Amino acid sequence: AQKVTQAQTEISVVEKEDVTLDCVYETRDTTYYLFWYKQPPSGELVFLIRRNSFDEQNEISGRYSWNFQKSTSSFNFTITASQVVDSAVYFCALTRGWSGGYNKLIFGAGTRLAVHP
Amino acid sequence: DGGITQSPKYLFRKEGQNVTLSCEQNLNHDAMYWYRQDPGQGLRLIYYSQIVNDFQKGDIAEGYSVSREKKESFPLTVTSAQKNPTAFYLCASLGGHEQYFGPGTRLTVT
Repeated sequence: AQKVTQAQTEISVVEKEDVTLDCVYETRDTTYYLFWYKQPPSGELVFLIRRNSFDEQNEISGRYSWNFQKSTSSFNFTITASQVVDSAVYFCALTRGWSGGYNKLIFGAGTRLAVHP
Repeated sequence: DGGITQSPKYLFRKEGQNVTLSCEQNLNHDAMYWYRQDPGQGLRLIYYSQIVNDFQKGDIAEGYSVSREKKESFPLTVTSAQKNPTAFYLCASLGGHEQYFGPGTRLTVT
């Protein structure tokens, strides 16, 4: 069975602090994809990153970085020098790597990040 | 602009009434999805459709129905059989291995 766990329900930081959002996943598939989505107060899910199971390189995009470690089944997300605009709910998600008809996204429960001025 | 539209953004209904949520996409994607989100929880799959005139139940399909008569459209009906219909509903379509999401419809049933 596939499962995504985001143990941190809520995180509160002060602007300019670094913050890491944890994501642990379970799957028996050897090929799979991992995602992070941002959900601002407006509600729409904003795609942040996709990583396939064969690519363990860390990714950096501006103030955002992702650490994928298959050995610990983790795909953690770090925001450097956080800003108020980063306040949102962040979801980690998992899907199988084969199309097999459809790609069902398995979501974690989400982590609510509040960045205070 | 290409994307997914959902209407309306907010919807209010009385208990016992069926209600249909709209989802339209102009991304030329074959596969479309409906998810439900409850407070403090992740998204759960209600129904999905891989192609026109075909759809499959997701994890929480009871009390919901869908149709897929056109590639661009995948409406979701919340029936009176759905015991807890108040939620945020998100529609998505699949491009490659990435799902693109609409802005969502917040349904409140009283």
